[in-house]
Amino acid sequence: SQTIHQWPATLVQPVGSPLSLECTVEGTSNPNLYWYRQAAGRGLQLLFYSVGIGQISSEVPQNLSASRPQDRQFILSSKKLLLSDSGFYLCAWNRGALGNTEAFFGQGTRLTVV
Amino acid sequence: DQQVKQNSPSLSVQEGRISILNCDYTNSMFDYFLWYKKYPAEGPTFLISISSIKDKNEDGRFTVFLNKSAKHLSLHIVPSQPGDSAVYFCAASLDQGGKLIFGQGTELSVKP
Repeated sequence: SQTIHQWPATLVQPVGSPLSLECTVEGTSNPNLYWYRQAAGRGLQLLFYSVGIGQISSEVPQNLSASRPQDRQFILSSKKLLLSDSGFYLCAWNRGALGNTEAFFGQGTRLTVV
Repeated sequence: DQQVKQNSPSLSVQEGRISILNCDYTNSMFDYFLWYKKYPAEGPTFLISISSIKDKNEDGRFTVFLNKSAKHLSLHIVPSQPGDSAVYFCAASLDQGGKLIFGQGTELSVKP
């Protein structure tokens, strides 16, 4: 069976510090991978998605970047965090094939920038 | 530009009654729609989906209706149970297997 792991679960970082959130998927190959953010009281905003190694599409211009160094690994990064980067970050995957749109989410990372 | 909208941030329903959650979209090219349920501090979990070639899909207590002419979909939960209390998100996809665009969510509270 397929599983998705995302860590850490919670993170408190000072303004201006770097960020690295990691997500890995097991039990499948060549998944589509996604990073979403849920700000307080808001919906799920798509930040980045990737259809293959090294292929990253950015949905929203911002202080964040993403990388996919391996087939089942997706990393969200920032060089200098802003207060506005606080939120609940979610990694997700789907099979990327016709008729398989359903996406599966990790447990999320609560990021608080202070 | 909010392509998927859930205009009701909250909904309160009595246990045993029907819960109706609504969602509107603006892009007529969306061809796949999904509903997710989310508890605080957890990732969303998939509930039910519908292809644009259908107007109804049912799974147990959950039924999703799609009205393409109105660009509107709804999720019916009947009978509602206290364990259904959560935030419900609708999502849409431009191509099956592609990225999902989510609405803002509706917080459902089912009272005993």
